[in-house]
Formats: sequence, structure tokens, C-alpha cells
Amino acid sequence: EAQVTQNPRYLITVTGKKLTVTCSQNMNHEYMSWYRQDPGLGLRQIYYSMNVEVTDKGDVPEGYKVSRKEKRNFPLILESPSPNQTSLYFCASSWDPMGGYTFGSGTRLTVV
Amino acid sequence: GENVEQHPSTLSVQEGDSAVIKCTYSDSASNYFPWYKQELGKRPQLIIDIRSNVGEKKDQRIAVTLNKTAKHFSLHITETQPEDSAVYFCAARDNYGQNFVFGPGTRLSVLP
Repeated sequence: EAQVTQNPRYLITVTGKKLTVTCSQNMNHEYMSWYRQDPGLGLRQIYYSMNVEVTDKGDVPEGYKVSRKEKRNFPLILESPSPNQTSLYFCASSWDPMGGYTFGSGTRLTVV
Repeated sequence: GENVEQHPSTLSVQEGDSAVIKCTYSDSASNYFPWYKQELGKRPQLIIDIRSNVGEKKDQRIAVTLNKTAKHFSLHITETQPEDSAVYFCAARDNYGQNFVFGPGTRLSVLP
């Protein structure tokens, strides 16, 4: 089944403890992206990647890192999480720069 | 950068009536406009999209119209059903396929 898989689905962590949210797609998509979703603010792009080793900042990149060492994987790294990073995170991928994204199931992160 | 506004933020309609959600965008270089539906607790899912060389697109009860001159596009849902109740997001993507900006969302409630 074609899908974008994120892990974990839920995560509660403490301020300052490094964490990684994994994202993997099995559709051979070149384009991948991370979004965070907050009430009243919709979906905001954190980082995106157009191919292996090619990444760039979205609208809200502060406090996040990404890597794209393999085409299928696009992990999101929070080196020192803070409470304002509490949010619902979605990974997404697309085969076409002019096509819509397929979203993962989301990761609900709480930083206390 | 691109800015997408969406109205209304909430919309209630009676079952069987039509619903219209409107979005405006700021960057005239944007040329791809998808609409996503997000049911409670689930991921956003692409329901329809339109490219800038087309003025209207239909898929059963759903249609999208685009006015490039005025820089706005609209989602039309006819014969609404309770299962249409969800949050709908519009988005705009620029010519390079990199910057993908979402509107803040519209919560549609279809009342039986």
C-alpha cells in the first residue's frame, strides 16, 4: 500500500531533550516536506526537500533540523525542544512539484 | 512570500444545500491550487486541485474555480451530506514547486 509513515504517533517529552520524528514513504517520491498544525494557524511548512541531500527552509524552520540521506526517509530533528514546539506534525510527500502532497498520519508532540 | 487567506473560518449549512469556501493568494507566480479535507483526528487528504491554465474543474459534487486576475479560487460543494463535515484547507504553490502555503482552514458543518 502506498503510504507515508510517521513515528511515533504520540510523544511527550521534556524541554531540552533531543528527539527525532521519523518519516518514510514507499512511493519513490522526490519531494518531501514537514508541516506543523496549530489551532487557528492551519498548516505551516517547516522544511522541505526536493531530492536526496537537497533541503530548504519553509516558513517556520527555527528550532528544527532535517536530513535527506535516502530518498524514502526524511526525519525531523528537534535538538532542544521547547514548549512552543508542542504541536501536531505532519510529514508529506509528492512525486510532482506541481502535484498535491500525500500526508502521513501525524505525530502529536507535547513538550513539558 | 506567498500569503493565503481563507473565508469563512466556519460555515454551517443544511444537508442538501451548497457550500462555498473562498481563498485569495498574494503571489501572482503561484500556479497550483489544491484543496484538502481533514476529518477530526485524521490527516489532510487531497480532494481536488486546479492549475493556473484552467478556470474550473469538477469532480462529482465538488468543483473548484480559479480567477487568476483577481487572485482567488473557490471550492464549491453541492448537495452537501453529513460526511462532508470537516475542516477544509486551500493551498497555493509557486512556480518552482517549493513554497507550498496553506490557508488557515474552514470548519464546515453539515446539519441533518
